[in-house]
Amino acid sequence: AQSVTQPDIHITVSEGASLELRCNYSYGATPYLFWYVQSPGQGLQLLLKYFSGDTLVQGIKGFEAEFKRSQSSFNLRKPSVHWSDAAEYFCAVGAFTGNQFYFGTGTSLTVIP
Amino acid sequence: EAGVTQFPSHSVIEKGQTVTLRCDPISGHDNLYWYRRVMGKEIKFLLHFVKESKQDESGMPNNRFLAERTGGTYSTLKVQPAELEDSGVYFCASSQVRGSTEAFFGQGTRLTVV
Repeated sequence: AQSVTQPDIHITVSEGASLELRCNYSYGATPYLFWYVQSPGQGLQLLLKYFSGDTLVQGIKGFEAEFKRSQSSFNLRKPSVHWSDAAEYFCAVGAFTGNQFYFGTGTSLTVIP
Repeated sequence: EAGVTQFPSHSVIEKGQTVTLRCDPISGHDNLYWYRRVMGKEIKFLLHFVKESKQDESGMPNNRFLAERTGGTYSTLKVQPAELEDSGVYFCASSQVRGSTEAFFGQGTRLTVV
C-alpha cells in the first residue's frame, strides 16, 4: 500500500540554524516525490520535486531534498532557516500517470528568534 | 495568471445543513482534483476530474458528498447533509497534464461542522 510517513509532527528551530524534515514513503511503483509548504492563509506551494536523475534536488527558498532509495526516504533540508520559513510542510508521493498524491501528515515548523 | 481559487475560505455550518464548496482551476487545466485534510491527519485524495468527467472518485467518503464540474471549468463539492466528521480543510488542485507531475493547489476551504 502507498503511504508517506512524516515522523515529526512539530519542530522548533532557531533562526539561522539548519533544518532537516524527515519523510519516508512506501510505494509500489517508481515514486515521484514532492515537498509542499503551506504558510498561514496560503495554499499548498510546491517546494521541489524528484522524478529521476540526480538524487539531490534543489527547490525554491533555498530548500533541497535528497532521495535515498535504499532507505525509502526523501528528507528536506535547509542550511539556514529564516523566520519566514515557519509553516507546515508536507511530503507527498505520486506516479507519473497516477491520479493522486499520497501525503504525509505534515510537519509544523516554528522558528524562534 | 490567476492560480487555483477556492470559495469560501471558511465555512461554519450546523450538522444536517448543506454546504457547497467551489473551486476555480487555472484556466486551460483539464485536470481538477479535490483533497481533504481532517484535523491532524494526512491530506487525502477525494476525486479527479478530466474536463467534466469523473476520472476517479475512489476517495469520496460516502454518498453525502457530490462533486460536479459542469462544462469542464469550475467545480463544486456539495456536502448534504453535513456531519461533524466532515470538518476539515478541503483543497482543490489543477493540472494541465494528467498525473502528479505538476499540480497547483488552492488555499483550501476550512469547513467546520458544529
